[in-house]
Formats: sequence, C-alpha cells, structure tokens
Amino acid sequence: DADVTQTPRNRITKTGKRIMLECSQTKGHDRMYWYRQDPGLGLRLIYYSFDVKDINKGEISDGYSVSRQAQAKFSLSLESAIPNQTALYFCATSDRTSGNHNEQFFGPGTRLTVL
Amino acid sequence: ILNVEQSPQSLHVQEGDSTNFTCSFPSSNFYALHWYRWETAKSPEALFVMTLNGDEKKKGRISATLNTKEGYSYLYIKGSQPEDSATYLCAFNQAGTALIFGKGTTLSVSS
Repeated sequence: DADVTQTPRNRITKTGKRIMLECSQTKGHDRMYWYRQDPGLGLRLIYYSFDVKDINKGEISDGYSVSRQAQAKFSLSLESAIPNQTALYFCATSDRTSGNHNEQFFGPGTRLTVL
Repeated sequence: ILNVEQSPQSLHVQEGDSTNFTCSFPSSNFYALHWYRWETAKSPEALFVMTLNGDEKKKGRISATLNTKEGYSYLYIKGSQPEDSATYLCAFNQAGTALIFGKGTTLSVSS
C-alpha cells in the first residue's frame, strides 16, 4: 500500500470551478507539502505545513489555499480554477524527528487540467 | 527568493558513458542538499541527502559530492545505463524552511 496517497489522480475541470485535491499519509510524518510541476520548471512549492497548526506560503501560493485537517491529511484548494493552473500536483511528507533532514516522500501526483 | 541552479538542463549520452551534473545553491544558512531521481510517470525519489561540507555519498554507480562553502554539488553517474534515464533534481534546504528545488537535469541514455 502506498504511504502517501493523492485523490483524484486525474481531473479535468472548467474555468471558475472550485477544486480540492486531497493528500493522505500513513507514514506518521509531521510535515506535509504541496508542489506543482510544469514542464521545464521543476517542482515549485505552493504551501507547506510543519504541523497541524502551522501553515506557510510557498513560492507560488496565489490562487491556492490549504487545510491541514489532521496530521495525516493536507488538502489543496483552487477556489476558482484558471487555465494556467493546469499542471501536475505533488503532495510530499517529511519527518522532523527522523534525522533525515527533511527528506521528501512524494505521492503519485494529481494531473489537473483546467479548460 | 533563493535560487537553485542546475546544469545542464538536459543531456543525451550513450550507454557506458560517464556523466556529471552540477547544482549551485546559496552558501548561507546551509542545512542540507538533496538529490532526487524522477523517472517518467513516477514520483521523485530521494537519492542522497547531504549535510556536511566535503561529504561524498555513493549508491551503486551514482555518487555525489558537496561543497557548502562555495555552494555547489556534483552528481556523477559512472557507466550510464538506459535505466538511468530520468530527471535528476537537486533541492536546497535552509534551517527551519522548506526545500527549494532546482529545475532539474534530464538525462537520456541510448543503448
């Protein structure tokens, strides 16, 4: 079973719709992240959370919001989707106490297309 | 905004060739430097997490070095094989913050 899961895996939606991408983990990690990947741009950080009560903006947070409902769950919302939010979205986790210096464990990704 | 630069952006080698890539990062407030391997249609997976200046790490035919004073890391692949074809990402971590990823180097190995 996958340690970091993302739902949905693929989504096609229309401009202006509200979309939620969900991430769950069974690794027991305290830290969770949302990245987006666009061709030629690598991984860019959208939001991150170092524990349940901690939410931080990343490099490209405009147009996105997040919710850390529990240690194991971190959701990303697009309040009003626009075409330039079409991308591959990755959730990741890391463990502050492991000594692995924030080694990231990635989910399988969600491919979002906004028409 | 912190900048992590990787070069080259892409390269194509023949099976058996050895190759190396560069990652440049800010030399201030260093905490860790990560290398990830990202195969097509899969998720990135960690290769190395490096923390000490002068660190050298090795996993099979792949190795990496770290220079925190001048802000660079090299990834080496000895005797490239087609299964090494992937995008290699480096990520820089300052203490107390999240990772900043470079744009990656995409390696293609022909048999």
